[in-house]
Amino acid sequence: DADVTQTPRNRITKTGKRIMLECSQTKGHDRMYWYRQDPGLGLRLIYYSFDVKDINKGEISDGYSVSRQAQAKFSLSLESAIPNQTALYFCATSLSPRETQYFGPGTRLLVL
Amino acid sequence: TQLLEQSPQFLSIQEGENLTVYCNSSSVFSSLQWYRQEPGEGPVLLVTVVTGGEVKKLKRLTFQFGDARKDSSLHITAAQPGDTGLYLCAGAAVAAGNKLTFGGGTRVLVKP
Repeated sequence: DADVTQTPRNRITKTGKRIMLECSQTKGHDRMYWYRQDPGLGLRLIYYSFDVKDINKGEISDGYSVSRQAQAKFSLSLESAIPNQTALYFCATSLSPRETQYFGPGTRLLVL
Repeated sequence: TQLLEQSPQFLSIQEGENLTVYCNSSSVFSSLQWYRQEPGEGPVLLVTVVTGGEVKKLKRLTFQFGDARKDSSLHITAAQPGDTGLYLCAGAAVAAGNKLTFGGGTRVLVKP
């Protein structure tokens, strides 16, 4: 079984809709991250959490919110989706900021 | 402007040829990681380098960390089709509190 899982794997939605992407991990890591990936831009950090009570904005947090429901679960929400949020979204976990990041398989989101 | 600049953005070579991917910055990194990402999957760590001038080998892959810890390179000898993928460097910058920042990626295609 995968250590980091993401649901859904693919999603098509319309402008203005609220959407939630979910991430679960079985690695027992405290640190969890949400990234978006666009061609040529690598991975850009949206939000990160160092434990259940700690949530931090990344470099591109506008238009997104997160919830850390438990050590193992970290959800990303788009309150009102817009077309330029069309991207590949990845969840990741790590033991510390400098340690290996373990990524989920990604969610491909299309906003029409 | 990205903190980490990768070059080239795209590389297409024939099986058996060598290739080098570069990762450059004006910032100093306490550590630098290289990931490979295949279609439909999340990035997977290949190596972490932490010491200026360090060279690490992973079969046909050679990773080098610059003496000043501002740049790194990945060299693949006798590339094979299985080396095809997106290669990402990621650095924990001292000036950014050691948060991991990703480069834009280099897409490598090895043709049989």
